[in-house]
Amino acid sequence: GDSVTQMEGPVTLSEEAFLTINCTYTATGYPSLFWYVQYPGEGLQLLLKATKADDKGSNKGFEATYRKETTSFHLEKGSVQVSDSAVYFCALFGSGNTGKLIFGQGTTLQVKP
Amino acid sequence: DADVTQTPRNRITKTGKRIMLECSQTKGHDRMYWYRQDPGLGLQLIYYSFDVKDINKGEISDGYSVSRQAQAKFSLSLESAIPNQTALYFCATSDSRQGAYEQYFGPGTRLTVT
Repeated sequence: GDSVTQMEGPVTLSEEAFLTINCTYTATGYPSLFWYVQYPGEGLQLLLKATKADDKGSNKGFEATYRKETTSFHLEKGSVQVSDSAVYFCALFGSGNTGKLIFGQGTTLQVKP
Repeated sequence: DADVTQTPRNRITKTGKRIMLECSQTKGHDRMYWYRQDPGLGLQLIYYSFDVKDINKGEISDGYSVSRQAQAKFSLSLESAIPNQTALYFCATSDSRQGAYEQYFGPGTRLTVT
């Protein structure tokens, strides 16, 4: 079945450092891919998405490119801020229209001043 | 006001008790979901509902039941709570008219079973 694998955390960075959180997936067909973010004490919210190969999703300085050849959707940000400290979830929505999002296990990011 | 609300936000209960977690939405979405979040395990789908008469089991439905009372309301029940059901529970919605893949989450209910 479909699955998502994220790099394990926690990831600890200093402010203004470059961020990469790796995400790879297994799916049949052409899934849509997402990054969700969960700030402390809150529910998940959509950060960015890409619905077809080579699409780049971007939001709030974060970017991720849908790479079908490597089945990856890595999250990047050039300069992180303390306010980016959160848990980040990679997810896919299968093209088989099961109607379900498949989430990775989440990666905790802590940014220190 | 929040589009997806969950009540209660926190609940402590004893082993063997029946409890209900409630979710309401004002987004007009047809699809609703219940997830459980445990540290290091991400989100696991408990039940999902594509409309009022369409309810489906997710990955970890054992020990849980749901009721879709209306398009806007989806409740999760633990018939006889046990300590390993201690977790953070999230309700989410999506709109099949918009492709259904973007989900909107409530703030969560932290449940502790002692």
